[in-house]
Amino acid sequence: DTGVSQNPRHKITKRGQNVTFRCDPISEHNRLYWYRQTLGQGPEFLTYFQNEAQLEKSRLLSDRFSAERPKGSFSTLEIQRTEQGDSAMYLCASSLSGVGSYEQYFGPGTRLTVT
Amino acid sequence: AQSVTQLDSQVPVFEEAPVELRCNYSSSVSVYLFWYVQYPNQGLQLLLKYLSGSTLVKGINGFEAEFNKSQTSFHLRKPSVHISDTAEYFCAVSQNTGGFKTIFGAGTRLFVKA
Repeated sequence: DTGVSQNPRHKITKRGQNVTFRCDPISEHNRLYWYRQTLGQGPEFLTYFQNEAQLEKSRLLSDRFSAERPKGSFSTLEIQRTEQGDSAMYLCASSLSGVGSYEQYFGPGTRLTVT
Repeated sequence: AQSVTQLDSQVPVFEEAPVELRCNYSSSVSVYLFWYVQYPNQGLQLLLKYLSGSTLVKGINGFEAEFNKSQTSFHLRKPSVHISDTAEYFCAVSQNTGGFKTIFGAGTRLFVKA
């Protein structure tokens, strides 16, 4: 078990460009979560999947954000027309469902800087 | 809706001294409670969790926390800290109906001085 991995670890982009991040969860985990963390704050929930179904989206997730988990394994988070306010650390976590679903395992994050 | 308040944004402490990081939560339903640690440029690592049962919970690296329902608190303690404990600590809460969404506090920066 290699844990949750995220790529890239760092991304610098210009305002207006699109970016896509990838998360590979722990292989037997069927729940996958995305969070955003800005400097000096705790992670804020963005969305989560159970298998390939996206079951909840935060109001923080504007129309420029889209997340997918096409085969119930890895997930991608895309931000279109990036804005400077999108600069943050984007964290992915995974968990089991049912018994044990309370414990989420986090990846190292993707740090996005929008210039 | 749940919320989490971490009462101290920074806690400086000398090595081998005891430390307490304070956390209060609010929720209209029963919850699970967690403490996570985040080292620089790393993801979050679970320190300990309270699900039910004994209100004193022991975690990794010598940390423990006590759930106090009447005061809606879940303070984290360690009797003797090390330089390597310097990190950001997050208190978190999720509903105990599956726990799919976790609400985090703003974090407490623990700085251990030699």
